[in-house]
Amino acid sequence: QKEVEQNSGPLSVPEGAIASLNCTYSDRGSQSFFWYRQYSGKSPELIMSIYSNGDKEDGRFTAQLNKASQYVSLLIRDSQPSDSATYLCAVMRHGQNFVFGPGTRLSVLP
Amino acid sequence: DAMVIQNPRYQVTQFGKPVTLSCSQTLNHNVMYWYQQKSSQAPKLLFHYYDKDFNNEADTPDNFQSRRPNTSFCFLDIRSPGLGDAAMYLCATSRDHGETQYFGPGTRLLVL
Repeated sequence: QKEVEQNSGPLSVPEGAIASLNCTYSDRGSQSFFWYRQYSGKSPELIMSIYSNGDKEDGRFTAQLNKASQYVSLLIRDSQPSDSATYLCAVMRHGQNFVFGPGTRLSVLP
Repeated sequence: DAMVIQNPRYQVTQFGKPVTLSCSQTLNHNVMYWYQQKSSQAPKLLFHYYDKDFNNEADTPDNFQSRRPNTSFCFLDIRSPGLGDAAMYLCATSRDHGETQYFGPGTRLLVL
């Protein structure tokens, strides 16, 4: 079983819609969760981090964490073509290194 | 602006010819990481430094080495690049273990 799983996509949504990106992880000891956006040929850039169960909102982005279900998601409201990228989920146990998921490719159609 | 810088952005080398990639940071972070990322794959951690302490991932080939002469700089040395080493190499830093990692722009390596 892979440690961090994401649907590879592509996930296509129309402009203005909500994009929902999902990530599951296998290590119940994981404590920190991160979403990175990576444009083609570029390096990952941090969108959000979340550490506690529930929702965390930042502008158009909302991260949701459910540790009991070992599930973290990222919602993008009012999706824009500029949101088209690969979204990487990263999970970390305290004091250890990131484990990245394979990424979900999002395509926002104008 | 505080940042992570990588040089060069693009590197072309010949099969078997040693190459060095560099990373510098102005964030004064304790931890520096090197990742390898191939097309459509997740970044794969090669090794990291916590201050001067070097931590190698178990499956990192011996062909890859690293040096961190001071807090600000970290180098990735590929002793004998093979065709399979062509990839994007990402440097990242974090203030401490378990904290957010900030990535540099990456160096794309091409092996001919």
